[in-house]
Amino acid sequence: QSALTQPPSASGSPGQSVTISCTGTSSDVGGYNYVSWYQQHPGKVPKLLIYEVSKRPSGVPDRFSGSKSGNTASLTVSGLQAEDEADYYCCSYAGRNIPRVFGGGTKLTVL
Amino acid sequence: EVQLVESGGGLVQPGESLRLSCAASGFTFSVYWMSWVRQAPGKGLEWVATISGDGSETFYVDSVRGRFTVSRDNAKNSLNLQMNSLRADDTAMFYCARGENNAFLYWGQGILVTVSS
Repeated sequence: QSALTQPPSASGSPGQSVTISCTGTSSDVGGYNYVSWYQQHPGKVPKLLIYEVSKRPSGVPDRFSGSKSGNTASLTVSGLQAEDEADYYCCSYAGRNIPRVFGGGTKLTVL
Repeated sequence: EVQLVESGGGLVQPGESLRLSCAASGFTFSVYWMSWVRQAPGKGLEWVATISGDGSETFYVDSVRGRFTVSRDNAKNSLNLQMNSLRADDTAMFYCARGENNAFLYWGQGILVTVSS
């Protein structure tokens, strides 16, 4: 049950786009279209941004988008805003006995 | 409105037990798979356990299997996590979360568990 691999940090200026990667294996990210992404501000509860690789729940701005290629999923934040500064976590289904595995998280800084 | 409210956290000594509960409201509880996710201080999210809607299937992360037991009472709309043989590295904020579309859309506010002598 190894955690998915995310870069510890990412940054961008307001208005720019930034992409955060999430690398797993063929047993998790690569094997299923069940990748989700969460945003967590300090001291707050995680918020679902993306589910099933690229779908957005109601209320999530379309500035947030998800994709997957092979064993790597990606979250792209377009038109960066100050309030996007937060921690971001990916999560994947990893088979019948391991319903979920999270990435280590990426701290996004808006410069 | 969907609400998930955790309770039962606190400070315990290594080796002791603690039982967390999550009171659910605003939805048909028995329909949904439920999970516990934890976050150690300053660390990332970690999936801990999942239970099916009828309680017949349970799944655990390796580090808690054999020590933690997830259960539910659908008549009382309650999710539980019995934690035995607690260790210092179990110290974390524990969240209950509702499974939906292969993700966690709804989360509780979290409850802090501290294991220390």
